[in-house]
Amino acid sequence: KNEVEQSPQNLTAQEGEFITINCSYSVGISALHWLQQHPGGGIVSLFMLSSGKKKHGRLIATINIQEKHSSLHITASHPRDSAVYICAVKKKSSGDKLTFGTGTRLAVRP
Amino acid sequence: DGGITQSPKYLFRKEGQNVTLSCEQNLNHDAMYWYRQDPGQGLRLIYYSQIVNDFQKGDIAEGYSVSREKKESFPLTVTSAQKNPTAFYLCASSIQGLWNQPQHFGDGTRLSIL
Repeated sequence: KNEVEQSPQNLTAQEGEFITINCSYSVGISALHWLQQHPGGGIVSLFMLSSGKKKHGRLIATINIQEKHSSLHITASHPRDSAVYICAVKKKSSGDKLTFGTGTRLAVRP
Repeated sequence: DGGITQSPKYLFRKEGQNVTLSCEQNLNHDAMYWYRQDPGQGLRLIYYSQIVNDFQKGDIAEGYSVSREKKESFPLTVTSAQKNPTAFYLCASSIQGLWNQPQHFGDGTRLSIL
């Protein structure tokens, strides 16, 4: 079983819809990352969380440490949000190294 | 602007050939990483380096080698011993020891076998 599980694997939405992507993990962590991978392959770091909630523009990330769960929300989705969204955790036992989920592929239709 | 530069973007390898992927950063980061991405799998760590002239194996180091002679550079060599090298390779860097800092990624190199 993977230590980091994401759901759904694939998601198609209509422009303007509210989107939620989930990440569950089974290990103790010091931080959780949400990353965005564009169709060309480059990866951008969206958020790093250790507790609570962070917001940047139309993106909101939350984490519940007790439940070992994080969510990434996109409000008023747009076709340019189409990408693969990846959850990654810094395990307490592994220092600075990250363990990655397999990603959620999002397609937003106009 | 500061960032990470990977080259080439696409690379083709013949059977029995070693190839080297370049990764350069001007972020003044101490730590650098190489990841491999295969379809349907999460990124997997190949090698990482926390300081110049030092590096450690990651989860899938067999068939790969690295060097860290300069802080800015962390090239990855895919050797002929790597029997399934076709993948997307990503380089990243971070400020070492500060777990509340994100990793910065390059745009990747796609390696294929001829």
